[in-house]
Amino acid sequence: RKEVEQDPGPFNVPEGATVAFNCTYSNSASQSFFWYRQDCRKEPKLLMSVYSSGNEDGRFTAQLNRASQYISLLIRDSKLSDSATYLCVVAREAYGNKLVFGAGTILRVKS
Amino acid sequence: GAVVSQHPSWVICKSGTSVKIECRSLDFQATTMFWYRQFPKQSLMLMATSNEGSKATYEQGVEKDKFLINHASLTLSTLTVTSAHPEDSSFYICSAGLAGDRDEQFFGPGTRLTVL
Repeated sequence: RKEVEQDPGPFNVPEGATVAFNCTYSNSASQSFFWYRQDCRKEPKLLMSVYSSGNEDGRFTAQLNRASQYISLLIRDSKLSDSATYLCVVAREAYGNKLVFGAGTILRVKS
Repeated sequence: GAVVSQHPSWVICKSGTSVKIECRSLDFQATTMFWYRQFPKQSLMLMATSNEGSKATYEQGVEKDKFLINHASLTLSTLTVTSAHPEDSSFYICSAGLAGDRDEQFFGPGTRLTVL
C-alpha cells in the first residue's frame, strides 16, 4: 500500500465549478500535512498547510481527519489558472522535513 | 520568500558519464537539503537528506555510491549521478527548509536529466 494515495483524475471541470480532492495516508504517526501544486514540468509549490481544525485560504479549503487518516482540498469558483496537478503531501516525522508525496490529482479547468 | 536555485536546468549526456547537479539556497542558510526524483506521471520520491558538514542519509533502495551527495556549505548541496544510464533519466528536484520551520520546504526548479 502506498503511504499517500490520491485519485489521479483527471478532473475536468468548467470554470466556476467547485471541485474536491481527497487523499488518504497510511502512517498514523504523521504530523504535518500539505497540499502542493505542480504545473507541468515544474517544481511543486506549496498551496497550503492542512491543520486539524481545517483551514481556508481564499477559494481553497483544506480539511484533515486524523481518525480516518484522510485529507481533502476543496476549490471553489475554479479558474482556468487552477489547472495543474495537486499533490497531497505528508511529513513522516513529528517535526517536519521528510515529505512523502502522493502521485497527484490532475485538474483541468475549461472555459 | 526563500529562493532555491538548481543548475543546470536540463542536461543530456551519454551513458556512462557522470553528471553533477547543484542546489543553492540564495537568500537563506539551509543546514538540511533534500533530493527528490520524479519519473513521468509519478510522485516525487525522496532520494536522500543532505546535511551540511556530515554524510547524507539515503532512503531505502537508493545507491549511495551511485548518487553522491556533498553539502559543503550552508547554501550549497550537490548531487552527482555517477556512471549514468538511461534508466537514471528523470526530473531531479532539491528542496530546503528554513531552520526551525517545520512546515514549508522551498523547492528548486528541478533538473531534467536525459541519458542517451
